[in-house]
Amino acid sequence: EIVLTQSPDFQSVTPKEKVTITCRASQSIGSILHWYQQKPDQSPKLLIKFASQSISGVPSRFSGSGSGTDFTLTINGLEAEDAAAYYCHQTSTLPFTFGPGTKVDIK
Amino acid sequence: QVQLQGSGPTLVKPSETLSLTCTVSGDSIRPYYWSWIRQPPGKGLEWIGYVFTSESPTYNPSLKTRVTISMDTSKSQFSLKLTSVTAADTAVYYCARGHRDMDLWGKGTTVTVSS
Repeated sequence: EIVLTQSPDFQSVTPKEKVTITCRASQSIGSILHWYQQKPDQSPKLLIKFASQSISGVPSRFSGSGSGTDFTLTINGLEAEDAAAYYCHQTSTLPFTFGPGTKVDIK
Repeated sequence: QVQLQGSGPTLVKPSETLSLTCTVSGDSIRPYYWSWIRQPPGKGLEWIGYVFTSESPTYNPSLKTRVTISMDTSKSQFSLKLTSVTAADTAVYYCARGHRDMDLWGKGTTVTVSS
């Protein structure tokens, strides 16, 4: 089973700051890695697919990069509405697995 | 507008079977993969499995002996059954469209396992 680790676990950020969340896979997964945002008491929402592909309707301040084992989700200019948990998810190898999540709080 | 609506009992007794259904509205169920994911209280997401019309379902090995996912295209529904439940199966259960990038999620059904 591929284990995904995320860092940091938690981040408290001032609005307009840049946020970087990393996801590391225990083995290479190519670019088969997706990012989800989950706000409190809501369902997860797809932010980035296949490591770096943007999703229609998702603000352009969200971007993804990486391949192999190391991936990054970047939020350029955090807004108050971005307070949420962020999860990476690999669908390269069964069983599909999620990272433990990174909680982003607004200062 | 495509919507997913989960339904089913919110309280299940230990050792019994959890049964949930996800109804798809606004689009055909046939062209897509459909997935189930769960989230225990205060914890992260766990992938359960997925189904497609022309393939056998695929399951998480950690649940494989207890889980069944099926699809009823005539009703635009897909379902989850989890047998022999314990308190560890208490979670919010989400249905979603897709099996790799899941681009549409239902609101989630909270299921509590308790006597």
